[in-house]
Amino acid sequence: DVKVTQSSRYLVKRTGEKVFLECVQDMDHENMFWYRQDPGLGLRLIYFSYDVKMKEKGDIPEGYSVSREKKERFSLILESASTNQTSMYLCASTLLYEQYFGPGTRLTVT
Amino acid sequence: AQSVSQHNHHVILSEAASLELGCNYSYGGTVNLFWYVQYPGQHLQLLLKYFSGDPLVKGIKGFEAEFIKSKFSFNLRKPSVQWSDTAEYFCAVSSSGGSYIPTFGRGTSLIVHP
Repeated sequence: DVKVTQSSRYLVKRTGEKVFLECVQDMDHENMFWYRQDPGLGLRLIYFSYDVKMKEKGDIPEGYSVSREKKERFSLILESASTNQTSMYLCASTLLYEQYFGPGTRLTVT
Repeated sequence: AQSVSQHNHHVILSEAASLELGCNYSYGGTVNLFWYVQYPGQHLQLLLKYFSGDPLVKGIKGFEAEFIKSKFSFNLRKPSVQWSDTAEYFCAVSSSGGSYIPTFGRGTSLIVHP
């Protein structure tokens, strides 16, 4: 079974802090994604990566950056957290179009 | 750009009722279609998928979906829902043979009363 893990289930940060969300997959997938999930808005793509050190902006990249130094690990960085970044963050990896999701990190920015 | 529309945002049913959740997409080319489900407190997981062939696809837990190309639709159905089907359901579409990036609908929250 594919396993996608995320470093934290719940996180509380203060406005202005730098926040790192980590995602690891164990199936050697090339494509990895970061989404945020908000009620009534579904999943919105923040960034994705199709290979090590390769990244592409999604639909809502503002205020975020990513890092992919190793194939199995894809990190989402909030350079200066703001209250409007309070959300559920989902990581996914993809094999043959099918997405495998992590458990999510519920981030609260106060 | 492709888009996905889920018409029902909230659905409330009693056990044993039949379910149909609507999903329409806009994209001119060949598509792959998915339904994902998120049970309370759990990961998003694949419910079923359509790539090609028989337009009626069966998924886990008795769910099925029918691809109607002329209507750009991929509706999810279940003849008799159970309390354990309470979850959020997402329809998604990606273009065949191209980008792996799916577009998701906004989701439908289903509550099944025992």
